[in-house]
Amino acid sequence: DTGVSQDPRHKITKRGQNVTFRCDPISEHNRLYWYRQTLGQGPEFLTYFQNEAQLEKSRLLSDRFSAERPKGSFSTLEIQRTEQGDSAMYLCASSPGRGYTDTQYFGPGTRLTVL
Amino acid sequence: QKEVEQNSGPLSVPEGAIASLNCTYSDRGSQSFFWYRQYSGKSPELIMSIYSNGDKEDGRFTAQLNKASQYVSLLIRDSQPSDSATYLCALLASGTYKYIFGTGTRLKVLA
Repeated sequence: DTGVSQDPRHKITKRGQNVTFRCDPISEHNRLYWYRQTLGQGPEFLTYFQNEAQLEKSRLLSDRFSAERPKGSFSTLEIQRTEQGDSAMYLCASSPGRGYTDTQYFGPGTRLTVL
Repeated sequence: QKEVEQNSGPLSVPEGAIASLNCTYSDRGSQSFFWYRQYSGKSPELIMSIYSNGDKEDGRFTAQLNKASQYVSLLIRDSQPSDSATYLCALLASGTYKYIFGTGTRLKVLA
């Protein structure tokens, strides 16, 4: 079990550019989550997948954000036309998909800086 | 009202003391509660999960859950400087598989 991995670990981009992040969950984990975290705040839910289906998406997620999980394996999070306010740590987590005892585990995160 | 509330701290305790971290929540239907530790610049790391009222112990950590009072706590015995971190309380929202996090409590263990 290699844990959740994320790529890249750091991304610096200019305002208006598009960025894409990748997350590889723990193998055989059915659920995959994306969060955004800014300084002094807890992880803020963005979206989650059950296998390849995107089941819930935060109302805070603007049209510039999109996430996919083709074939129910890895996932990508794309931010189009980045803004300075998008600067944050983007965290991915996965969980086995059990009932109320389900537990999620986080990857190392991707730190995005928008100049 | 925030869904998960924590005092942001910092909570300062001397080395060897018991650190007590508290969390209240508003979702009465939630059955699953978690404590994560997060070091500066790192991602959250799961410490404990608790699903039933009462205490759950794991090494130096004890989680306590009181669903009637909508209250979760984490006790850290024999606190060490390496325990200095932000502790995040989280729950699995009822009727969904969405996790809700508090803003975290920053703990400082003084050597």
